[in-house]
Amino acid sequence: NAGVTQTPKFQVLKTGQSMTLQCAQDMNHEYMSWYRQDPGMGLRLIHYSVGAGITDQGEVPNGYNVSRSTTEDFPLRLLSAAPSQTSVYFCASSPQGYTEAFFGQGTRLTVV
Amino acid sequence: GNSVTQMEGPVTLSEEAFLTINCTYTATGYPSLFWYVQYPGEGLQLLLKATKADDKGSNKGFEATYRKETTSFHLEKGSVQVSDSAVYFCALSDRIFGGKLIFGQGTELSVKP
Repeated sequence: NAGVTQTPKFQVLKTGQSMTLQCAQDMNHEYMSWYRQDPGMGLRLIHYSVGAGITDQGEVPNGYNVSRSTTEDFPLRLLSAAPSQTSVYFCASSPQGYTEAFFGQGTRLTVV
Repeated sequence: GNSVTQMEGPVTLSEEAFLTINCTYTATGYPSLFWYVQYPGEGLQLLLKATKADDKGSNKGFEATYRKETTSFHLEKGSVQVSDSAVYFCALSDRIFGGKLIFGQGTELSVKP
């Protein structure tokens, strides 16, 4: 009964470092997405995917890359971390584009 | 573009009080509407949903009705408990440009015994 699994749960990076946030789902959902949560701003969409091999930008894509080589996995790459990327990151999946999304537990990232 | 506006928080209530959290939206077409809840230190969980006008979503004593004429989806509960303390997010999903949710800014609810 795993659902959406994100790793790591916590991470501290130095400015300029790169890293990959992992996201995996075991529900065979076609749609997956990444959001960041900042105080007073709700969740904002970074990138999303409507199926393996297909990705698109969301509201705040700059500084992030994604790829979707399998239905199960949707990693988020930070190319060169900046303090402005300090946030809580959530991965989500859904069976169809307009249905409810299932969320992972989140990754709390601090860039110093 | 699509957007969601939520009532400003934080909201503090006494146990057994009535709760309303206002949510209005702007969207083209016929979006699906959701309320999500986030307990401290956790991810978001779906609380309830409505997929067409006049639908009422309900769960755990919470209710919300999809009102197309007022573009609203207000969350209500008749008697809150301490365990309802959490952050509540209103969200919509576009049926045409699917795969992404648009969230309101969240409303923090604190229920005191």
